Amino acid sequence: DQQVKQNSPSLSVQEGRISILNCDYTNSMFDYFLWYKKYPAEGPTFLISISSIKDKNEDGRFTVFLNKSAKHLSLHIVPSQPGDSAVYFCAASAPNSGNTPLVFGKGTRLSVIA
Amino acid sequence: GAGVSQSPSNKVTEKGKDVELRCDPISGHTALYWYRQSLGQGLEFLIYFQGNSAPDKSGLPSDRFSAERTGGSVSTLTIQRTQQEDSAVYLCASSLLGRVEGYTFGSGTRLTVV
Repeated sequence: DQQVKQNSPSLSVQEGRISILNCDYTNSMFDYFLWYKKYPAEGPTFLISISSIKDKNEDGRFTVFLNKSAKHLSLHIVPSQPGDSAVYFCAASAPNSGNTPLVFGKGTRLSVIA
Repeated sequence: GAGVSQSPSNKVTEKGKDVELRCDPISGHTALYWYRQSLGQGLEFLIYFQGNSAPDKSGLPSDRFSAERTGGSVSTLTIQRTQQEDSAVYLCASSLLGRVEGYTFGSGTRLTVV
């Protein structure tokens, strides 16, 4: 059973508009969440993270929102650029429960159309 | 080296043969992780090594899979008697222990079992 779920396998957005990628989790022990970005033939690279003590973290065009009660987080990219086209993975960790490895979702393929 | 290096980048093998996949982590990183991404799936955790502790093998899908990490550095993932369902991209990551956003991934080995 998937502990981290990304229910949208793909998303298409026009350049300049907002991209919203969603992620749900089931394990209440998760207290640290991350987004990774993956281009074809490359490994995933860290994008942005959020601790469970916060509900928002912003880094330039990227903002991650966390709703703990709903066990839901989202990644907002605004404005979207063609170079943002990639697969985005949501990941969760429970660092306060020991050094457990990251649990990843299945990913959402974002296509930004010029 | 500057990044995580994996070899080979591509491997085609016949069903029933054994394969070895290699990972060179970032120097000084004490934690090393193996994940795989099958077609249409997310990043599936396989095994991780942390310092001198016993590895967490809880993600290995069968006893045909094994991994070792020699001298706290290079790791080898071995798949014996490969099956077609083993076809996937095998990704290695390393990090400083306890630093979840510090996962640096290699570019992966694409394994195809024919």
